Amino acid sequence: DAKTTQPNSMESNEEEPVHLPCNHSTISGTDYIHWYRQLPSQGPEYVIHGLTSNVNNRMASLAIAEDRKSSTLILHRATLRDAAVYYCILRDYFSGMDSNYQLIWGAGTKLIIKP
Amino acid sequence: NAGVTQTPKFRILKIGQSMTLQCTQDMNHNYMYWYRQDPGMGLKLIYYSVGAGITDKGEVPNGYNVSRSTTEDFPLRLELAAPSQTSVYFCASSYGGQGARTGELFFGEGSRLTVL
Repeated sequence: DAKTTQPNSMESNEEEPVHLPCNHSTISGTDYIHWYRQLPSQGPEYVIHGLTSNVNNRMASLAIAEDRKSSTLILHRATLRDAAVYYCILRDYFSGMDSNYQLIWGAGTKLIIKP
Repeated sequence: NAGVTQTPKFRILKIGQSMTLQCTQDMNHNYMYWYRQDPGMGLKLIYYSVGAGITDKGEVPNGYNVSRSTTEDFPLRLELAAPSQTSVYFCASSYGGQGARTGELFFGEGSRLTVL
C-alpha cells in the first residue's frame, strides 16, 4: 500500500501558484520524498525529490515540513500544460530487490487547471 | 537521446495468445523496470533488472516473463494472455536503485494492451 496520502483532485486557475499537499506520517529518517507527474496518455515524468531541506528546480519547488511528516509541491505559475496526475511517493522495503527498496505508487492527485 | 522507447503503442490480443512488449533505452542505465497501470490507479512493478543477465520478480509477476541480454533492451513477454492483463504497460530505467538519491526513473510512453 502507498505510504503517502494525497487529495484525489485539485483545481487551480491558470497562471496562479498551486500547492499540492502530501502526508507521509510514517516516513523514516533516510527516505527521500519523490514527486512524479503523469500527463494524459503519457508515461510518468520526474518532477523533484528531497530529503530534509526545501528543494527548487526549473519545474517546481518542494517544501518539506520540519518533522518531515508532510510536504508540499509548489508550481509557481501553473499553465494548462501542468494539468496532470501528481504522485507523491516514498520507497518501501521489498525483499526481492537488489537495492531492497521500490517506490510505492498511490493514485496521486489529479490537478485541473482552469483557463 | 531518445530516452526509453517502447513498442508497440497499442495491441489487441485474444485470450490465450502470446506477445512481447519491447523496451530499449539509450542512457546506459543499469536498472530497468516494467510496470502496469490499471485505470485510476498507480503503477505496479512487474519485473525489474539491475543489469544485463540479471532479472527478478516485482510485486505482480504472474503471467509475465522478462530477459535482459543487453544493457539497452528489456523485453516483457506475456504468455497465454488473459483479460486481467488488460492494462497500460510502462517500461522505465534509472541510473541508481529506486528511492536512492540517484534513482530518478525515466519512463517510456506506454503500451496499451487489450485482451479480449
